[in-house]
Amino acid sequence: GAVVSQHPSRVICKSGTSVKIECRSLDFQATTMFWYRQFPKQSLMLMATSNEGSKATYEQGVEKDKFLINHASLTLSTLTVTSAHPEDSSFYICSATDRGRGQETQYFGPGTRLLVL
Amino acid sequence: QKEVEQDPGPLSVPEGAIVSLNCTYSNSAFQYFMWYRQYSRKGPELLMYTYSSGNKEDGRFTAQVDKSSKYISLFIRDSQPSDSATYLCAMGNTDKLIFGTGTRLQVFP
Repeated sequence: GAVVSQHPSRVICKSGTSVKIECRSLDFQATTMFWYRQFPKQSLMLMATSNEGSKATYEQGVEKDKFLINHASLTLSTLTVTSAHPEDSSFYICSATDRGRGQETQYFGPGTRLLVL
Repeated sequence: QKEVEQDPGPLSVPEGAIVSLNCTYSNSAFQYFMWYRQYSRKGPELLMYTYSSGNKEDGRFTAQVDKSSKYISLFIRDSQPSDSATYLCAMGNTDKLIFGTGTRLQVFP
């Protein structure tokens, strides 16, 4: 149980285009999902916290107009990187909290590697 | 000072060794303590979760939390080459987790 999927697993795009990444909780309902970014050999940096049916809460320094987050259902959250630039190239990972387990643990997706040319 | 400090390693040990991974933290409000394992180019995988001081054991893994010293550890017994990965400590309260930088572990045959 507690499986989180992400799609796509990797994407290459041209500078200036937008990229959408999907995060799904497959076997549980996730009222809260998180989006992280991880640069090579660095730890995960929280970008935003997404609650179903409400606006995402962004961490300081993360541009909400550039990283659009939608959490339309209890099993799906999307991150759209708008007008992507090479410096946005990174490993994007989502996670979800399984409230049904009564724990505050986060289960992570496999990540999406974004390369902006 | 970072909220969570973790030695990045790399830590290289022979197969069968006992591995000790550690993190220190500064925020006494943290309630939850976790260890994640991350293989290269993969998402983190939850290994251990605890919310109280003391030890928690799961197979070859033991998580230890000392809230008075603000120090957590992960012990791996009988380490295997398949344990080679980056180990991230994470802690927080309610929903938000703060991660350590991760320790790269290499177990050689």
